[in-house]
Amino acid sequence: QLQLQESGPGLVKPSETLSLTCTVSGGSISSSSYYWGWIRQPPGKGLEWIGSIYYSGSTYYNPSLKSRVTISVDTSKNQFSLKLSSVTAADTAVYYCARHFTFLPLYNWFDPWGQGTLVTVSS
Amino acid sequence: SSELTQDPAVSVALGQTVRITCQGDSLRSYYASWYQQKPGQAPVLVIYGKNNRPSGIPDRFSGSSSGNTASLTITGAQAEDEADYYCNSRDSSGNPNWVFGGGTKLTVL
Repeated sequence: QLQLQESGPGLVKPSETLSLTCTVSGGSISSSSYYWGWIRQPPGKGLEWIGSIYYSGSTYYNPSLKSRVTISVDTSKNQFSLKLSSVTAADTAVYYCARHFTFLPLYNWFDPWGQGTLVTVSS
Repeated sequence: SSELTQDPAVSVALGQTVRITCQGDSLRSYYASWYQQKPGQAPVLVIYGKNNRPSGIPDRFSGSSSGNTASLTITGAQAEDEADYYCNSRDSSGNPNWVFGGGTKLTVL
């Protein structure tokens, strides 16, 4: 059974870079059928897609975050990572990683999801 | 604001049928996927594609689409279905960007 687990600091200072890693177990991140995505949820608010990466390194980013986001993959460790630079309090959220299936433009879904990790931006 | 619009809250009597809707121009071209999120938990995929349920999702959950509206229907709602529900699809720009609806809080009375 595929499982994803986020890890990283729970507290980041304003203007610094948020860094998280998602470790995939029970399956290979190098599967040719899937992307791997990051989604966040500010406290009490809805979900926001951040970006997705293919095992080859091909990436898609949310245009509203693109200037600050870098997603990378390490197939040898079965992990992918998120870096979000110049963070502010508005970046405080639960960050989820998920497997992202996208086929043609027609089909798209995220499944399964990691349990999520709360990152607070505060001095 | 989201390109996918959902009603903020919907209620249903126990055992009755409820439809949760998601509106957006992109839904004329792309299928929506639907997620259930209970308090303090990660979202769980409940419907994907035309009308497909992942393993373990009860058959009382179904999906449909017409024009710019996608719908999630729960036939015979149970107390455990009380949760937030989010739709998700590609946005209408034509570029590979994905958006979520604002979410619908379902209350089972």
